[in-house]
Amino acid sequence: QQQVKQSPQSLIVQKGGISIINCAYENTAFDYFPWYQQFPGKGPALLIAIRPDVSEKKEGRFTISFNKSAKQFSLHIMDSQPGDSATYFCAATIASNTGKLIFGQGTTLQVKP
Amino acid sequence: EPEVTQTPSHQVTQMGQEVILRCVPISNHLYFYWYRQILGQKVEFLVSFYNNEISEKSEIFDDQFSVERPDGSNFTLKIRSTKLEDSAMYFCASSDGNNYGYTFGSGTRLTVV
Repeated sequence: QQQVKQSPQSLIVQKGGISIINCAYENTAFDYFPWYQQFPGKGPALLIAIRPDVSEKKEGRFTISFNKSAKQFSLHIMDSQPGDSATYFCAATIASNTGKLIFGQGTTLQVKP
Repeated sequence: EPEVTQTPSHQVTQMGQEVILRCVPISNHLYFYWYRQILGQKVEFLVSFYNNEISEKSEIFDDQFSVERPDGSNFTLKIRSTKLEDSAMYFCASSDGNNYGYTFGSGTRLTVV
């Protein structure tokens, strides 16, 4: 019940295209859902996050869509750029607890020029 | 921008040896974490630390692991007797309690031979 399932494992997108990464969770107590971007040799960096009281959050080219009833959320990267090539992790946590993050398995995104 | 600093960036150790991984969290943060990432796999929670004590630990964090905040600025992870399967990237993170302030370090790559 603590798992967060992420798909696809890898994704190749042409420059300018839309990248979509999906995540699903089971624990309805989760109330904070961040996305992290990780470049090789670096730690995960917070990209964007959402709470379940909204269905969508947009920051620049990055949008999270959240479906509370389906227990799913997704990251959309619009106008994907080669610099977006990285590994993306969704995560979930119970914000009022210790702050432990449960990560998805990760998606390696390659944006071709 | 404030950052979490980890040292060393890479450590090679003999199986059975003790290792100490060091982290300097962001100065006004109160919550501290260790995560690990085995090559090509997802990021896994090890332990959270608040108010000078462990607030939560995972099943990975067995008696071979310990954490300490010895001097009010450093946060260390000790592995008493390393095993081959401890080889991984270890990430330290700190938070001010607001999930948007959750920052990861660049990691220490531990190789046990």
